[in-house]
Amino acid sequence: AQTVTQSQPEMSVQEAETVTLSCTYDTSESDYYLFWYKQPPSRQMILVIRQEAYKQQNATENRFSVNFQKAAKSFSLKISDSQLGDAAMYFCAYRSSLWSNSGYALNFGKGTSLLVTP
Amino acid sequence: DSGVTQTPKHLITATGQRVTLRCSPRSGDLSVYWYQQSLDQGLQFLIHYYNGEERAKGNILERFSAQQFPDLHSELNLSSLELGDSALYFCASSPSSGPTGELFFGEGSRLTVL
Repeated sequence: AQTVTQSQPEMSVQEAETVTLSCTYDTSESDYYLFWYKQPPSRQMILVIRQEAYKQQNATENRFSVNFQKAAKSFSLKISDSQLGDAAMYFCAYRSSLWSNSGYALNFGKGTSLLVTP
Repeated sequence: DSGVTQTPKHLITATGQRVTLRCSPRSGDLSVYWYQQSLDQGLQFLIHYYNGEERAKGNILERFSAQQFPDLHSELNLSSLELGDSALYFCASSPSSGPTGELFFGEGSRLTVL
């Protein structure tokens, strides 16, 4: 199974500043999907952004953007103009385009806890 | 609100007992995925159902089972509960069975085994 690694258990950012969360993954596949999910204290998993591996252009959703480096197997999330409401656990996830024993299930990293200070 | 409903939100039970967690997917979604989230294991995929049929299994224990009913709601049954089964159990629904359909997560069911 593909391994997703988030090397930063915790990160802190000041309001209005920019923060980057790291994610690396291990795969031998060429076509796959990558995601960032946010889990606030309400605990519901919310999709922040997704990236198709075949697309070279980095995905952007408002203040959220990714830096997708396919050769390096790196998928970092940049949050600009951080807001108090961005405080949450952030999970990076991998989804294969190939069928396996686990089907097309998402494979998650361990998460990064983001603290936003006023 | 994702449109996915999970009940109960919280459940406290004793070791050796059996519980059933329920998930109602978004209207029209045929796929239901179950995940377990614990502090030590993180988010682990358990099982996937599509239109009533089991499609894939992950790290699901033999003491656990699931099914998806004709109305597309799903239930996860956990039996002979152990302390280590304490976790947050999520279900997620998707309109498709393939890799492109977005997953919409419920708020989870927090299970505490004492």
